[in-house]
Amino acid sequence: EVKLLESGGGLVQPGGSLRLSCAASGFTFTDFYMSWIRQPPGKAPEWLGVIRNKANGYTTEYNPSVKGRFTISRDNTQNILYLQMNTLRAEDTAIYYCEIITTTFAYWGQGTLVTVSS
Amino acid sequence: DIVMTQGVLPNPVPSGESASITCRSSKSLVYKDGKTYLNWFLQRPGQSPQLLTYWMSTRASGVSDRFSGSGSGTYFTLKISRVRAEDAGVYYCQQVREYPLTFGSGTKLEIK
Repeated sequence: EVKLLESGGGLVQPGGSLRLSCAASGFTFTDFYMSWIRQPPGKAPEWLGVIRNKANGYTTEYNPSVKGRFTISRDNTQNILYLQMNTLRAEDTAIYYCEIITTTFAYWGQGTLVTVSS
Repeated sequence: DIVMTQGVLPNPVPSGESASITCRSSKSLVYKDGKTYLNWFLQRPGQSPQLLTYWMSTRASGVSDRFSGSGSGTYFTLKISRVRAEDAGVYYCQQVREYPLTFGSGTKLEIK
């Protein structure tokens, strides 16, 4: 059974940093692309970026809205996906989800809440 | 970026009736392989979104055949037949044709 468990969310001050983690199990982690998506309260999801699988060199793509501030990485020995977020702003407040994705499958974790406020 | 625009449903929809949700993209989602890269998701209250269909009209594993996707390169419809209480939530279309991937603003379905 595929499982994705996000952690690391919480309250952070504007200008601060936070690193989110997503622990994956139930599938061969290195075979799959993994994404981060966020959803502000009461709004639509926003795709943040993707890190490709081993066959595609673990390269990354980002949404221009967060490029340069957010970094996606993965620890393929521990099956963990990361999202490093810097220079956080109030508008970054959202539930952050990790996602396993192929062209025919998509599965999201339950998310972790990030609140940016002073 | 490709902009996804979703329609509004005349809520609530009586149980047992059909509902059609529309989505439009600002650019064709047909790729050179001939497939249309459009996903539909359902987000029930308090849950994360779940995939309903991919390639515009192919149901994801375990999804009821009451859900059917259709459309052209830029205009898409998700039809839900014989709606049930469990179908309530917000439906999102998502283009996966090119980066950055983008979502529609969502269409809320309420059941009477």
